[in-house]
Amino acid sequence: DGGITQSPKYLFRKEGQNVTLSCEQNLNHDAMYWYRQDPGQGLRLIYYSQIVNDFQKGDIAEGYSVSREKKESFPLTVTSAQKNPTAFYLCASSMGPDSSYEQYFGPGTRLTVT
Amino acid sequence: DAKTTQPPSMDCAEGRAANLPCNHSTISGNEYVYWYRQIHSQGPQYIIHGLKNNETNEMASLIITEDRKSSTLILPHATLRDTAVYYCIVTMYQAGTALIFGKGTTLSVSS
Repeated sequence: DGGITQSPKYLFRKEGQNVTLSCEQNLNHDAMYWYRQDPGQGLRLIYYSQIVNDFQKGDIAEGYSVSREKKESFPLTVTSAQKNPTAFYLCASSMGPDSSYEQYFGPGTRLTVT
Repeated sequence: DAKTTQPPSMDCAEGRAANLPCNHSTISGNEYVYWYRQIHSQGPQYIIHGLKNNETNEMASLIITEDRKSSTLILPHATLRDTAVYYCIVTMYQAGTALIFGKGTTLSVSS
């Protein structure tokens, strides 16, 4: 089954700790994205990557970091510098520039920091 | 900044058509209209997209006005499982460009 997996589904951390969220895709997509969603709000872009070893900041990148060492993986680290890390985190991917644009989303990780 | 305006909520009876409007008066010539939906606590799901012609697939129909300043997503026979937040997004046809999600329209389908 092709798709995007995110793990874990729920994550709990103490304030001050860094935490890494996993995102893996087996769709052979070039581009990958991380979004954040707060209750009752739309999605906001954190980081995106168009190719391996390259990524760009989105609208709310402060306090987050990413890596793209493999095409199929795009982990997101929520650092202790992120002031309000509790949120629903969504990973997505899309095909390369010669293909249509739909983004495919994973099931999300709900992070709670106390 | 979101480039679209949608009503915050709509209701629809099961089996009836759901018509979800979207205003995008500042759309440029090379921008497409995309629709996604998000069922509670899940990742968004692609529904349909179009440039200027009306489009139809197995999920929905998309009607774009001639001046392209507004569009309507039509779910022809809404079911309870169509209850979700529907997002109308305007974007260029270019992979790697991030989508801008506003607050969308919460569609409630009832029996």
